[in-house]
Amino acid sequence: KAGVTQTPRYLIKTRGQQVTLSCSPISGHRSVSWYQQTPGQGLQFLFEYFSETQRNKGNFPGRFSGRQFSNSRSEMNVSTLELGDSALYLCASSLGLAGGDETQYFGPGTRLLVL
Amino acid sequence: SQQGEEDPQALSIQEGENATMNCSYKTSINNLQWYRQNSGRGLVHLILIRSNEREKHSGRLRVTLDTSKKSSSLLITASRAADTASYFCATDGGGSYIPTFGRGTSLIVHP
Repeated sequence: KAGVTQTPRYLIKTRGQQVTLSCSPISGHRSVSWYQQTPGQGLQFLFEYFSETQRNKGNFPGRFSGRQFSNSRSEMNVSTLELGDSALYLCASSLGLAGGDETQYFGPGTRLLVL
Repeated sequence: SQQGEEDPQALSIQEGENATMNCSYKTSINNLQWYRQNSGRGLVHLILIRSNEREKHSGRLRVTLDTSKKSSSLLITASRAADTASYFCATDGGGSYIPTFGRGTSLIVHP
């Protein structure tokens, strides 16, 4: 069974631009969660989508948004990029809702650099 | 804010030695999970321990949970160079069901 895939793997953007990251979950998984990882803040939960609905949201500004398609693939969008948005963005999928006793399977991440 | 906090932040040992890392958390939980991350890549799930369990084993891994102290420990026995990675604990955020990760312990195992 193929793992979680994320595209692109690396991205360089400039301040003020917007970016869209993509995540394909493991086949059959209905939950996709997004995380931001930085040296300063560690791994922080952005949001979770389950059956095309946002189920949980972390403490991030509205510039961070996402969506999930009927095939469970998910996209994350960051508008008006700031330097502080430079991070490794991780996507994780699970059969059921994350945060319970579900095991999350992580993708390799998209490393975003904002100049 | 971080729910789990790992200790120590960094650990350097020789191959064959045991590695112990600890995790403390703030609110009540239903379960706690440990993950490993190699070189800034994706995380790999290691083990889950539920709040009504005190100890769990998986291969060379041993996890303990003390809910009265709100702490957990991960023991890796007979460490190998391939165990070099960052290790994170993650709680279920108690009632929030938002997975909450600690900052991680960076483990280096010297061959």
